[in-house]
Amino acid sequence: GQNIDQPTEMTATEGAIVQINCTYQTSGFNGLFWYQQHAGEAPTFLSYNVLDGLEEKGRFSSFLSRSKGYSYLLLKELQMKDSASYLCAVFHGQNFVFGPGTRLSVLP
Amino acid sequence: KAGVTQTPRYLIKTRGQQVTLSCSPISGHRSVSWYQQTPGQGLQFLFEYFSETQRNKGNFPGRFSGRQFSNSRSEMNVSTLELGDSALYLCASSGTGIREQYFGPGTRLTVT
Repeated sequence: GQNIDQPTEMTATEGAIVQINCTYQTSGFNGLFWYQQHAGEAPTFLSYNVLDGLEEKGRFSSFLSRSKGYSYLLLKELQMKDSASYLCAVFHGQNFVFGPGTRLSVLP
Repeated sequence: KAGVTQTPRYLIKTRGQQVTLSCSPISGHRSVSWYQQTPGQGLQFLFEYFSETQRNKGNFPGRFSGRQFSNSRSEMNVSTLELGDSALYLCASSGTGIREQYFGPGTRLTVT
């Protein structure tokens, strides 16, 4: 099956930049997604990468390297409301596999 | 535009029973996906329906099934409930594919 790895927890300061990494097995890859999930709430779609390179969307950017099985989510100008779990997910074959999530805490 | 709605929001069932959960997608969306979320296993994909056909499927046993109606509303059924089926069940809809999904609030199922 597909194994997706992400750091369990990260801490950063308000106004700073943080990079959350995600690694996955490359076989059968059809696309990579990032979701944000606040505690007690449903996930919210952030980004989708299917080709190599950087996708920018406001304060959030996502990068993909298919040959390395690697992606990262970059959050700039961190705000307190960015404290949440960030889930990396890979679509491969007919299955959609989520990583364990990275819990980000933004401190004042 | 109304978001994704799921009913019921909370449910308590006994081991061995069956349960049906309902999901109404955003108007105009034709793809509906179902997920199970637990503290131990995280978020796991169950299946996706598009135009009344199951298009993608995760690695869950046959006790988990679903269907989609002509109006894109979807139901998920779990038969012979086990204690381990206690979870938050999330439904998500998107226009044509699994790409940009919008999640509903979920149904919290507790099996006793």
